[in-house]
Amino acid sequence: DVKVTQSSRYLVKRTGEKVFLECVQDMDHENMFWYRQDPGLGLRLIYFSYDVKMKEKGDIPEGYSVSREKKERFSLILESASTNQTSMYLCASRRGEQYFGPGTRLTVT
Amino acid sequence: AQSVAQPEDQVKVAEGNPLTVKCTYSVSGNPYLFWYVQYPNRGLQFLLKYITGDNLVKGSYGFEAEFNKSQTSFHLKKPSALVSDSALYFCAVRDDSGAGSYQLTFGKGTKLSVIP
Repeated sequence: DVKVTQSSRYLVKRTGEKVFLECVQDMDHENMFWYRQDPGLGLRLIYFSYDVKMKEKGDIPEGYSVSREKKERFSLILESASTNQTSMYLCASRRGEQYFGPGTRLTVT
Repeated sequence: AQSVAQPEDQVKVAEGNPLTVKCTYSVSGNPYLFWYVQYPNRGLQFLLKYITGDNLVKGSYGFEAEFNKSQTSFHLKKPSALVSDSALYFCAVRDDSGAGSYQLTFGKGTKLSVIP
């Protein structure tokens, strides 16, 4: 079974803090993705990576950056967290269909 | 550009009755189509996909979906609903034309409630 893990299920941070969300997959997939999920908006793509050290902006990259130093790990970084970044963050990896992690519910206060 | 529409925010059905969750799509090339399910406080789970071939696709948990090219639709169906099917369902599309082909575009989701 494909396994995608995310470092935290729930996270509470303060406005202005730097936040790291980690995602690890164990299936040697080249493609990895970060989404945010908000009620009524579905999933929106923040960034994706099609190989180590390669990244592409998705639909809503503002306020976020990513890092992919190793094939199995894809990190999402909020340089200075803001309250409008309170959301559910989902990581996925892909070969064929996408496989999702359990999600991190981030609250920025 | 690719897009997906799920016209119903919520669908309610009685246990044992057939269910349909609707999805329409728009792509410039040929579509790759997917259905995912999300249970509360969980990530998304893959249900089924259409790439090519038979228009009726069978997937996990007794679900199936019918690809209709003329209507640009990919509706999710199940002959007999279970209470445990209650969840949030997402349709997604990817364009096979090459540019941006890694990206899935998701619909906004349909909440399915199966009433005992």
